[in-house]
Amino acid sequence: QVTLRESGPALVKPTQTLTLTCTFSGFSLSTSGMCVSWIRQPPGKALEWLALIDWDDDKYYSTSLKTRLTISKDTSKNQVVLTMTNMDPVDTATYYCARIGRAAEFDPWGQGTLVTVSS
Amino acid sequence: SSELTQDPAVSVALGQTVRITCQGDSLRSYYASWYQQKPGQAPVLVIYGKNNRPSGIPDRFSGSSSGNTASLTITGAQAEDEADYYCNSRDSSGNPQFVFGTGTKVTVL
Repeated sequence: QVTLRESGPALVKPTQTLTLTCTFSGFSLSTSGMCVSWIRQPPGKALEWLALIDWDDDKYYSTSLKTRLTISKDTSKNQVVLTMTNMDPVDTATYYCARIGRAAEFDPWGQGTLVTVSS
Repeated sequence: SSELTQDPAVSVALGQTVRITCQGDSLRSYYASWYQQKPGQAPVLVIYGKNNRPSGIPDRFSGSSSGNTASLTITGAQAEDEADYYCNSRDSSGNPQFVFGTGTKVTVL
């Protein structure tokens, strides 16, 4: 059974850097074809794709946010980490991680973690 | 980057059929995936690829595509199908980037 779980701070201040961790089980990110992605959803709004990392350590970012995002993996710990710099109140959202399947489907998703940006 | 546009809201009578559409240039090159999201919950994959359902998804959910439009059809909608639905696909830029649709709120009457 594949599961993912997000963890990180619930509250960050403006200008701070956010660090989120996705801990997964049921698959290995060292297996060819495997990818993990981050997605966010502001309250009451649509989903927004942020970044992905693949088994070969290739990394891809949202064009609009790429200057602020860094994604990395620790295969031995089954973790993927996302950092986002210079946080702003508009970055308040639930942040999800998900595995990307071979047909480019996002499945399954973690439960999500709500991050509020406020002073 | 690409955009995927969905109708904000649709309603369907219990037991009837509803189709949700998703429009975008990337859909000319890539299949859409569809996700169901209920309040306070994470999205759940319901359709992917040409028309594939993950294990546990009822067969009343089906997908199709034509040109720049992908569709999700619920045949015989049930009360538990009331949710937000999002499409997504790879970005048409050619890089492995992704885009999500604007979302459709489905109300079952």
